[in-house]
Amino acid sequence: QKEVEQNSGPLSVPEGAIASLNCTYSDRVSQSFFWYRQYSGKSPELIMSIYSNGDKEDGRFTAQLNKASQYVSLLIRDSQPSDSATYLCAVIGASGAGSYQLTFGKGTKLSVIP
Amino acid sequence: KAGVTQTPRYLIKTRGQQVTLSCSPISGHRSVSWYQQTPGQGLQFLFEYFSETQRNKGNFPGRFSGRQFSNSRSEMNVSTLELGDSALYLCASSLSGDYLLSGELFFGEGSRLTVL
Repeated sequence: QKEVEQNSGPLSVPEGAIASLNCTYSDRVSQSFFWYRQYSGKSPELIMSIYSNGDKEDGRFTAQLNKASQYVSLLIRDSQPSDSATYLCAVIGASGAGSYQLTFGKGTKLSVIP
Repeated sequence: KAGVTQTPRYLIKTRGQQVTLSCSPISGHRSVSWYQQTPGQGLQFLFEYFSETQRNKGNFPGRFSGRQFSNSRSEMNVSTLELGDSALYLCASSLSGDYLLSGELFFGEGSRLTVL
């Protein structure tokens, strides 16, 4: 069973600070990694994807991937109250017999305090 | 551009009944995936369809089934409902048929199923 682990939080940061969200995964051959944001009562929405080692920046968001450590993170700079949501890490890996599966972590709840 | 549409949004069933949920993907998207979301287990993968074929299946019992039509619309069915099937069922569509990219999903608002 492929696993994606996240700290459930809640993670509280003051407005304007950097929020750091972390995720580890068990499938060493995983190749594709995603961060989704889910507001309370809403469905998840994709905010970042990353496929190779290193950093990928998009506005205030930076995704970091370290395949050797099986670790992916999301940094949110200049955090805003509107960033308060649950952040889901998702990983694509093989699920056997030539099949693949997108596995989600249970999410980290972020609260940005004004 | 219309998003992913799921119907019904809410439904209540009793144990032993069956339910069918419908999903219309974004126009042009051929991959449709289904997920179950509960507070305890989070988002769990049910199955994925591409061009009317089930490409991938998660670890759910055979009571959970699905299909995809030629217009990419998809349905999932749960037979012999159990209390534990109460959950939010999310459908997601993807433009890309490449599995490495298929994690870029667009989710519908979900169908909330309550089993009494």
